[in-house]
Amino acid sequence: DAMVIQNPRYQVTQFGKPVTLSCSQTLNHNVMYWYQQKSSQAPKLLFHYYDKDFNNEADTPDNFQSRRPNTSFCFLDIRSPGLGDAAMYLCATSPRTDYYEQYFGPGTRLTVT
Amino acid sequence: DAKTTQPNSMESNEEEPVHLPCNHSTISGTDYIHWYRQLPSQGPEYVIHGLTSNVNNRMASLAIAEDRKSSTLILHRATLRDAAVYYCILRGAGGTSYGKLTFGQGTILTVHP
Repeated sequence: DAMVIQNPRYQVTQFGKPVTLSCSQTLNHNVMYWYQQKSSQAPKLLFHYYDKDFNNEADTPDNFQSRRPNTSFCFLDIRSPGLGDAAMYLCATSPRTDYYEQYFGPGTRLTVT
Repeated sequence: DAKTTQPNSMESNEEEPVHLPCNHSTISGTDYIHWYRQLPSQGPEYVIHGLTSNVNNRMASLAIAEDRKSSTLILHRATLRDAAVYYCILRGAGGTSYGKLTFGQGTILTVHP
């Protein structure tokens, strides 16, 4: 089945140690989104790619970066994770930005020790 | 972004209908009303969306008030698998909002056997 895959499902990193989360999709969608969801909170958009065009939300910390080497893959890099970055990170895709549905992956739960 | 207001939690019994309300008094003429749900330990899942008319699909129905300042998601026969957080989201049609999803706090639905 076509889907959005996130690896790993659980990631533990140390305070200040760079970490990369990955997302892949078999839907061939042009748009890929990264959301952060802290415990008991709603998901919050960090940034999105439309094809190769990167769009950062105004309040996304500089500590968060993203790469999209091809249509299928997108990476979230956290350069120096702090304790406050512990969260679930959700990847979503869509054929285009005005399409009615976003397709979410299962998320990666990041723990910072 | 226009805001939505939902009850923090609701409860239902299995096989009974559930009506989940959402207020969006500042909705603009081009905002679509979207509903997503998030099951425990999963990413959000699209449920339904509408603009002005009531909508039905295999998962649910969406009833939209005539003035569009409120809407109700209707699950016709709740099952235990419907226990989730339900998010009511206003989504712009495009342009600078690029169709982004801005999640509110949502309603936690508990379904009793």
